[in-house]
Amino acid sequence: NAGVTQTPKFQVLKTGQSMTLQCAQDMNHNSMYWYRQDPGMGLRLIYYSASEGTTDKGEVPNGYNVSRLNKREFSLRLESAAPSQTSVYFCASSAQATGRETQYFGPGTRLLVL
Amino acid sequence: AQSVAQPEDQVNVAEGNPLTVKCTYSVSGNPYLFWYVQYPNRGLQFLLKYITGDNLVKGSYGFEAEFNKSQTSFHLKKPSALVSDSALYFCAVRPVGGFGYALNFGKGTSLLVTP
Repeated sequence: NAGVTQTPKFQVLKTGQSMTLQCAQDMNHNSMYWYRQDPGMGLRLIYYSASEGTTDKGEVPNGYNVSRLNKREFSLRLESAAPSQTSVYFCASSAQATGRETQYFGPGTRLLVL
Repeated sequence: AQSVAQPEDQVNVAEGNPLTVKCTYSVSGNPYLFWYVQYPNRGLQFLLKYITGDNLVKGSYGFEAEFNKSQTSFHLKKPSALVSDSALYFCAVRPVGGFGYALNFGKGTSLLVTP
């Protein structure tokens, strides 16, 4: 049982390049989330998927798109990377999106945009 | 707005002493409150949560937190700190409705336990 896995662990992009961050969970969770972590700002929600087949914007969605490929996988895409997107990206999952459930986090992807 | 505040950027404690990491919250209605820990270059690990019931919540690695409704606080505590407890600690609140019940995080408190 690997929990939540993310690939890649680290990536360097040039401004304007695109990339997709991959996330998968093996806990049979319905809900998945993408956060970004910036120094002194805690974690901020980019997008979420309350259940398979649905995705919705979070607090900071501009410049990102997501795909809930199936129940296990939730990918985050940067179409045209900008230096402001330099951050650490975390994927998380929870059994349901009802408030009580614990969210479980992946190890993160460190992204540097030059 | 529903949020949490962690008033201390850093907490320094000597090994063996009790530790407290502070968190206050602002929500409408009853809060769901969480504590997570992040070790260097790692993801967030769940420590404990308050949903309802007993105000004293016990979690992983000997940590506990006390929910205080009158003071709107949810401070994290441990009776005897270990050097290995040194990490970044996040308090989070789950707001009622909105954003699929994603977590609203505080800015984090860096805990340094010295030998």
